Amino acid sequence: ETGVTQSPTHLIKTRGQQVTLRCSSQSGHNTVSWYQQALGQGPQFIFQYYREEENGRGNFPPRFSGLQFPNYSSELNVNALELDDSALYLCASRGGPSGVTDTQYFGPGTRLTVL
Amino acid sequence: QKEVEQDPGPLSVPEGAIVSLNCTYSNSAFQYFMWYRQYSRKGPELLMYTYSSGNKEDGRFTAQVDKSSKYISLFIRDSQPSDSATYLCAMTNAGGTSYGKLTFGQGTILTVHP
Repeated sequence: ETGVTQSPTHLIKTRGQQVTLRCSSQSGHNTVSWYQQALGQGPQFIFQYYREEENGRGNFPPRFSGLQFPNYSSELNVNALELDDSALYLCASRGGPSGVTDTQYFGPGTRLTVL
Repeated sequence: QKEVEQDPGPLSVPEGAIVSLNCTYSNSAFQYFMWYRQYSRKGPELLMYTYSSGNKEDGRFTAQVDKSSKYISLFIRDSQPSDSATYLCAMTNAGGTSYGKLTFGQGTILTVHP
């Protein structure tokens, strides 16, 4: 186990609703990244937070937003849900943004289904 | 065209076989190359990490990177049923907000049958 936890495990929403997913980083890790993994695909980078600030973003619209808290836990918020948002959402934590060699530890993911 | 293309598609091999997984990429800025293993209902776990071109061996696993061809490979020797999982290649460049952004291939589902 990596020490990264995510909640909830599964979630079902309807189109147009809003959702909040949560991640608790591994102890001592101050950087968290969120990824979206559609069925049969590799994870796609959504954004990264370092010390409560977003410092990197992938090709996702503004209705995907996030927060990182002083204890380094994190939230992913998605507004106006669309059917294509159905996916596994992964968070990954690591020690800091300096040095791309820092190992990223992934949580088990939250499976979101949008009906 | 995707930045990272992974092949083969779903792969089924007998126990003890040598498995070869491959990725090609288009972004010449990528310098760090990784292989992740993902079991069903789990997050990806890091298997191998390689910087720039070269080979790296860890037990039954060997990772190869050829930057001139933009091609990376993972070899699994003496494959075991416990190796059955999805294997993902991932890569990243160095600098600025690209730190931590991993670009993944689409994954190869490997099944090793006894």
